Amino acid sequence: KAGVTQTPRYLIKTRGQQVTLSCSPISGHRSVSWYQQTPGQGLQFLFEYFSETQRNKGNFPGRFSGRQFSNSRSEMNVSTLELGDSALYLCASSLDRIQETQYFGPGTRLLVL
Amino acid sequence: AQTVTQSQPEMSVQEAETVTLSCTYDTSESNYYLFWYKQPPSRQMILVIRQEAYKQQNATENRFSVNFQKAAKSFSLKISDSQLGDTAMYFCASGGSNYKLTFGKGTLLTVNP
Repeated sequence: KAGVTQTPRYLIKTRGQQVTLSCSPISGHRSVSWYQQTPGQGLQFLFEYFSETQRNKGNFPGRFSGRQFSNSRSEMNVSTLELGDSALYLCASSLDRIQETQYFGPGTRLLVL
Repeated sequence: AQTVTQSQPEMSVQEAETVTLSCTYDTSESNYYLFWYKQPPSRQMILVIRQEAYKQQNATENRFSVNFQKAAKSFSLKISDSQLGDTAMYFCASGGSNYKLTFGKGTLLTVNP
């Protein structure tokens, strides 16, 4: 089975722009979660989607949003980028049961200038 | 709310020796799960081992084993016969009914030849 894939792998944006990141889960996985990883804050939960519904959201401003499509693929969007949004964004997928193991993708490295 | 604490930012071990990484957690949930993930320099997060809190028996995966002390809320990872490929950042994480993982800050493990 192919693993979790994320595109693009690297991205450079300037302040004020917006960005969309994509995640394709492992085949058969219906839950997709997003995490932000920074040296200072570590790994922080952004949101989780299941069957196109957001089930939980982390403590991030409204500039961070996401969605999930009927094929379980997910996108996250960050609007009005700030320097502090520079981070590695990780996507993880799992089966539909509560706390089934999450499998991570390689991440998208976002640099905001 | 869940919290995970890893008190060792960095550790080193000689090849073929044994090393133990510490993790403590706090949770209000009665049914929860604990994980150790490994993130090598290539950045792909990989599951090392998983423990269900309701199971008293400590999980093992080849050279990796855990010491799960539920009353003390402790979940340490033991790596036996350390190999150079074990060099990575190791994250302890907990999960419950809220569809998200809470991570510790990580322990950077270096295996020396």
